[in-house]
Amino acid sequence: QSALTQPPSASGSPGQSVTISCTGTSSDVGAYNYVSWYQHHPGKAPKLIIYEVSKRPSGVPDRFSASKSGNTASLTVSGLQAEDEADYYCTSHAGNNTLGVFGGGTKLTVL
Amino acid sequence: QVQLVESGGGVLQPGRSLRLSCAASGFSFSDYAMHWARQAPGKGLEWVAVIWYDGSNKYYADSVKGRFTISRDNSKNTLSLQMNSLRDEDTAVYYCAKGWRVVDVWGQGTLVTVSS
Repeated sequence: QSALTQPPSASGSPGQSVTISCTGTSSDVGAYNYVSWYQHHPGKAPKLIIYEVSKRPSGVPDRFSASKSGNTASLTVSGLQAEDEADYYCTSHAGNNTLGVFGGGTKLTVL
Repeated sequence: QVQLVESGGGVLQPGRSLRLSCAASGFSFSDYAMHWARQAPGKGLEWVAVIWYDGSNKYYADSVKGRFTISRDNSKNTLSLQMNSLRDEDTAVYYCAKGWRVVDVWGQGTLVTVSS
């Protein structure tokens, strides 16, 4: 159950775009199209913003987009807004007989 | 709307036991797998345990295997986590969450502090 690798921090100015990577292995990210991304503001419940690699739940702005190539998934936040400042976590399904695995989280700062 | 509300957190000494509960509403609880996850102070999120929709399968993180037990009561729409032999490193906010491959709804969490 090794964690996925995310950069600890990312930043951008309002209106800019920022991309956060999430690197796993051929046993998790590379094996399944079940990568999700969560936005987490301290003290609140994590919010699902991307599921199944690139799908957005209802109500999530299309400024949030995501993709996957091989063992690496990526989240892009376009048109950065102040309220996007939060921690972002990726997670991947890792098989039917085990828990999924999280990335270490990326703190996004809007400058 | 879909709602998950955790309870049972508190402050206790190492080696003691605690039982967390999660009350679910707004969806057909018995149709979904359910997770417990946690976030230790200053750390990231970690999956702790998952239970199948009917309770037939359960999986645990290596860090809690043999000490924690996940269970559910579909007649009461309630998820539980029995935590035994607690350690300092179990200090965290514990969340219940709905789903299996896609975990789409989380509760607000309950804080467990293990300290001598």
